[in-house]
Amino acid sequence: AQSVTQLGSHVSVSEGALVLLRCNYSSSVPPYLFWYVQYPNQGLQLLLKYTSAATLVKGINGFEAEFKKSETSFHLTKPSAHMSDAAEYFCAVSERSGGFKTIFGAGTRLFVKA
Amino acid sequence: DAGVTQSPTHLIKTRGQHVTLRCSPISGHKSVSWYQQVLGQGPQFIFQYYEKEERGRGNFPDRFSARQFPNYSSELNVNALLLGDSALYLCASSPEPIRNQPQHFGDGTRLSIL
Repeated sequence: AQSVTQLGSHVSVSEGALVLLRCNYSSSVPPYLFWYVQYPNQGLQLLLKYTSAATLVKGINGFEAEFKKSETSFHLTKPSAHMSDAAEYFCAVSERSGGFKTIFGAGTRLFVKA
Repeated sequence: DAGVTQSPTHLIKTRGQHVTLRCSPISGHKSVSWYQQVLGQGPQFIFQYYEKEERGRGNFPDRFSARQFPNYSSELNVNALLLGDSALYLCASSPEPIRNQPQHFGDGTRLSIL
């Protein structure tokens, strides 16, 4: 079975600072990886996805992620944090075993300080 | 176009009762999945339906059941409610159950068990 591990349940950055949210995956097959964002009292919104094309994936709202097979990582970054980026971020992997499903990490809550 | 819609948005039940949650996918999407998100955790996969057939089931007890209708909408049923069933229940849709397709989430139903 595939899995994802998000390092750090909480990350705090200052407005304008670099955002780095860490995700490591475990997969016996080439993975399909996603980052989703969840704002309070809302569902999940797709930020970006990796599907074996370019290893550097650009998403919405200035976020990007780099797939590194040697490190089994898919970390999410944004050069300059904005107050509106404060939310919960989930790394996820798509699995076909036992039916089509998405396996989510535990999430990282991003706080942005003024 | 309308996104994934879920009803009701909030629900309060007592232990032992039964609940039905409803989901309408994005127009043209034939695959619907259900997830349970307990406070502070990532979503956990419950069911996936495609073309009215169950295609995947997560590690949930038989008290949980679901079905998909000819118009691709779906219901999630939970019997004999327990306190631990309190969670945000998310519905997600995609055109087909293919690994490289992201899922589109509704805003969820917040279920509270007293």
